[in-house]
Amino acid sequence: DGGITQSPKYLFRKEGQNVTLSCEQNLNHDAMYWYRQDPGQGLRLIYYSQIVNDFQKGDIAEGYSVSREKKESFPLTVTSAQKNPTAFYLCASTDTDGQGLAEAFFGQGTRLTVV
Amino acid sequence: KQEVTQIPAALSVPEGENLVLNCSFTDSAIYNLQWFRQDPGKGLTSLLLIQSSQREQTSGRLNASLDKSSGRSTLYIAASQPGDSATYLCAVRDNYGQNFVFGPGTRLSVLP
Repeated sequence: DGGITQSPKYLFRKEGQNVTLSCEQNLNHDAMYWYRQDPGQGLRLIYYSQIVNDFQKGDIAEGYSVSREKKESFPLTVTSAQKNPTAFYLCASTDTDGQGLAEAFFGQGTRLTVV
Repeated sequence: KQEVTQIPAALSVPEGENLVLNCSFTDSAIYNLQWFRQDPGKGLTSLLLIQSSQREQTSGRLNASLDKSSGRSTLYIAASQPGDSATYLCAVRDNYGQNFVFGPGTRLSVLP
């Protein structure tokens, strides 16, 4: 059963603490993405990766970090430098097989709350 | 810079009605356009993907059209049902095929 798995579903962070959100896919997709969603706003791109060991900053990368050591995994770390981390975080992946489909698939999201 | 808008922001209709959701984008040089559904507190579910060379795609009661030259796409939902209640988002992918730009979504309520 192919898809994208995000964990945990809910995460609570104390002030000054780093936390890591997990994203795993078994779709054999090369490209993976992290988005942030705030109430009343559209999705905003944090980081993306087109291939293993390579990633690029999106529109709101400050205070976040990622790694892409394996094709299946693209974890996002929310650092203490991110001043307003409370949001819904979504991970996505797409194929880049040259066929041009590039359909995006999303995980079920992680809701991060600062306490 | 690509910008995507969706009209209306919210829509409430009685069950059984046919309805149209609109998506507009400012740069016509797109790779593809995708419609998603999002239920409260959930991730996005892909509904339809239209390649830049296509004019429309259909899946069940859903039909999406694309007019690249005018920068518009519509999602047509036939015979709406209460289970269709959700937020519908459109996203365009640029010709470099790297990133999606999302619209803010249309929140749909179908009343029984």
